[in-house]
Amino acid sequence: NAGVTQTPKFQVLKTGQSMTLQCAQDMNHEYMSWYRQDPGMGLRLIHYSVGAGITDQGEVPNGYNVSRSTTEDFPLRLLSAAPSQTSVYFCASRSGQGKVTNEKLFFGSGTQLSVL
Amino acid sequence: QKEVEQDPGPLSVPEGAIVSLNCTYSNSAFQYFMWYRQYSRKGPELLMYTYSSGNKEDGRFTAQVDKSSKYISLFIRDSQPSDSATYLCAMSEGAGSYQLTFGKGTKLSVIP
Repeated sequence: NAGVTQTPKFQVLKTGQSMTLQCAQDMNHEYMSWYRQDPGMGLRLIHYSVGAGITDQGEVPNGYNVSRSTTEDFPLRLLSAAPSQTSVYFCASRSGQGKVTNEKLFFGSGTQLSVL
Repeated sequence: QKEVEQDPGPLSVPEGAIVSLNCTYSNSAFQYFMWYRQYSRKGPELLMYTYSSGNKEDGRFTAQVDKSSKYISLFIRDSQPSDSATYLCAMSEGAGSYQLTFGKGTKLSVIP
């Protein structure tokens, strides 16, 4: 049982380049989300999805796009990378479409992104 | 003022010590309170959760919530080197919110 799988683990981009961070889960979870983790800032929600075809913005959505064509996959796209997007990115999923309660969020192991 | 405040540490304790980790918050609508543990270069994993005020115990870990003071705590008894990690508090309003609000995390080192 792989859980939440993120690729790549590390990536270096130049300013202005685009790329897609991949996230896949094999737990049939309806809810998936992307967070970024920066020193001194904690985890901040970028985008989330409550099911295929349904996405919404979190706290820091600017500069990122998402789509959800299948239950399993939730890619995060950086259209034109900026140094401010240097961060560690985590994908997380949980069961249920309902509003957050005590349901456990399962995190991937993260993608460390550097934008030069 | 941030919604959730958490001392980032680092906190260093000898093996066997009792550890107290804390968060304060300003949003009185928060109802669900969680603690996540994050090992270096790994994703966070849920350690404990509590609904509303009260205590919850799981082995060496005890979570406490005092909604009147907007203050939550995580206690670790008989701390072990394997407890060395960053501990993140997280909170949710529950119904009406899809979002968790995280603290910045406290880095704990348990020295053998």
